[in-house]
Amino acid sequence: GDSVTQMEGPVTLSEEAFLTINCTYTATGYPSLFWYVQYPGEGLQLLLKATKADDKGSNKGFEATYRKETTSFHLEKGSVQVSDSAVYFCALSDEGNTGFQKLVFGTGTRLLVSP
Amino acid sequence: DGGITQSPKYLFRKEGQNVTLSCEQNLNHDAMYWYRQDPGQGLRLIYYSQIVNDFQKGDIAEGYSVSREKKESFPLTVTSAQKNPTAFYLCASSITGSLGGELFFGEGSRLTVL
Repeated sequence: GDSVTQMEGPVTLSEEAFLTINCTYTATGYPSLFWYVQYPGEGLQLLLKATKADDKGSNKGFEATYRKETTSFHLEKGSVQVSDSAVYFCALSDEGNTGFQKLVFGTGTRLLVSP
Repeated sequence: DGGITQSPKYLFRKEGQNVTLSCEQNLNHDAMYWYRQDPGQGLRLIYYSQIVNDFQKGDIAEGYSVSREKKESFPLTVTSAQKNPTAFYLCASSITGSLGGELFFGEGSRLTVL
């Protein structure tokens, strides 16, 4: 079945550093791709998404480009802040045999940003 | 404000007891989901429901049961048959059938079996 692989964390950075969190996927069709963020003690929130190849999703200074040729959707931010400390999940939509979309999540990558 | 409400936020259970986690949404979404989150394993789908009075098993449904009697509500029961129930449980909803649709999550319920 479809799957998502993320880099293991934690990723530890100083404030204003450049961030990259790698995400690759395996899918039989043409899924939509997502990044969700989970702040401590909370549920997940959608950060950004891309629905087709070469699309770039962006939000709050984060961006990710849907690369079909490398089956990747890496998350980047030019200058991280302490408030970005959270767990980041890469996900893809999977219709399977039912035509009903479900999300398949990666294992999550914890980001720790120090002042 | 529209959103998803999960309760209780923290729950303790003795072995052999069934517990029910509540999930209510006022987003008028047709689809609802239950995920389980364990450290280092990400989110795994337990059950999902596309419409009222209908639901399907996800990847790890054994030891769990659900009902969908109302559009707004999708409670999850963790039964005594679940061998390792201690986890963080997340409820979510979405607009059915929307390509690239977003999931909206509640804040989660943390279940600890004593």
